[in-house]
This record gives sequence, structure tokens and C-alpha cells, in this order.
Amino acid sequence: GAGVSQSPSNKVTEKGKDVELRCDPISGHTALYWYRQRLGQGLEFLIYFQGNSAPDKSGLPSDRFSAERTGESVSTLTIQRTQQEDSAVYLCASNLGGLYNEQFFGPGTRLTVL
Amino acid sequence: SQQGEEDPQALSIQEGENATMNCSYKTSINNLQWYRQNSGRGLVHLILIRSNEREKHSGRLRVTLDTSKKSSSLLITASRAADTASYFCATVSNSGYALNFGKGTSLLVTP
Repeated sequence: GAGVSQSPSNKVTEKGKDVELRCDPISGHTALYWYRQRLGQGLEFLIYFQGNSAPDKSGLPSDRFSAERTGESVSTLTIQRTQQEDSAVYLCASNLGGLYNEQFFGPGTRLTVL
Repeated sequence: SQQGEEDPQALSIQEGENATMNCSYKTSINNLQWYRQNSGRGLVHLILIRSNEREKHSGRLRVTLDTSKKSSSLLITASRAADTASYFCATVSNSGYALNFGKGTSLLVTP
């Protein structure tokens, strides 16, 4: 497809379980971003990948959160031992990197932790 | 932490009217971007204005930037029901790349 895709679109899980969210960026985009959006709020930056450079993990809220990306392809965001406060929409975006480029967002994964 | 603050938080207008949303930010920026979000899901980029620009147009959109006041405005002219969405401003700092978003303005355009 032409755009950023994310899966699943919705995920309901029980507190304490692990979840894995997937993002397929636009082909050729070297930069990939994960954001979290709580209900009625703006987006919070989580993590940034640029090519083969070490990712910027400065936005990850706790060590229960981790993300991986192989090269310039798919990325997975993993949340271990989920808590109710993790409930949010998780959005992935990609672009060519650099300061002047708009980011292209996927439709997001709505995570609900019961 | 969130960089931008949009106001108003919510705006309700009728079709054909103009909608103005404002955004203030705290630190120096490289550029400021406006995004639209429908139904709480994916965001769509609307327009980017660089720190050395003061005004930019794109179709029915007009964006201004005042770096001395650290503020920006988004004007949507001749609004349509399809413009109903949440609008966010986002900044990229001179030392960064990730976007810092405000909480957004929820716009409702009624027929």
C-alpha cells in the first residue's frame, strides 16, 4: 500500500499481559516514529528510528515499553505487563527524516487494558 | 511534555463561516506544522511553515507564524461540514526531529 499501516487496529487485553503492536512504514522512508495519544490529549513522542542509527528512546515512559526496527522496514512496539494507564491510541509515523519533512501517520492501534 | 497549546479547545461554527485556531509554543523552533485528525485516529498533515516564514497559504488554509510571540494561527475559510475534526499544531525544535504536539482544537462545522 501507499500509506503507513498499523496492526491490529484495536487490541483489548487484560492487565498484566504483554502486547505487541506493528507498524509498516512507507517504503523508502528512513525515519519511523511512535507516538501515544491518550483520550482527549495530544500526541506524546515515544521513540524514533533513523536508518541504522541507534534509536532515540527518550520518550518511552517506562522500561515496560520497548521497540524494534529491522533496517528500514517494519517496527514493533512491545508493552510488557500492561497497566490500565497504558490504554491509548498508539500512532506510528514515517518520513524521509530531516527537520523539514512532514510525517505520514498510520491509522493507529487503539489499546484498551482492562 | 507537550510543547504547544491550542485555543480554543473547542469551536463550533456553521458552514461557510471562517474558523480560526491559535497555537502557542514555548521554545525556539525550526518549523511549525498543522495536522488534522478525524475520529481520534490517524493524523493528516495540512501545512508546514518554517521559522523564517510569516504566512503561508494552501487552498482554503492560511497559516501565520509570529516567532516573537511564539504563536501561530490556522484559518480555514468558507468552512464545510467535512472540515469537522481535531486540529493540532506541532513543532520541531532546532535540536530535534520528533514532533511536539498540543492538545488540539476540536472543530465542529454544522450544515
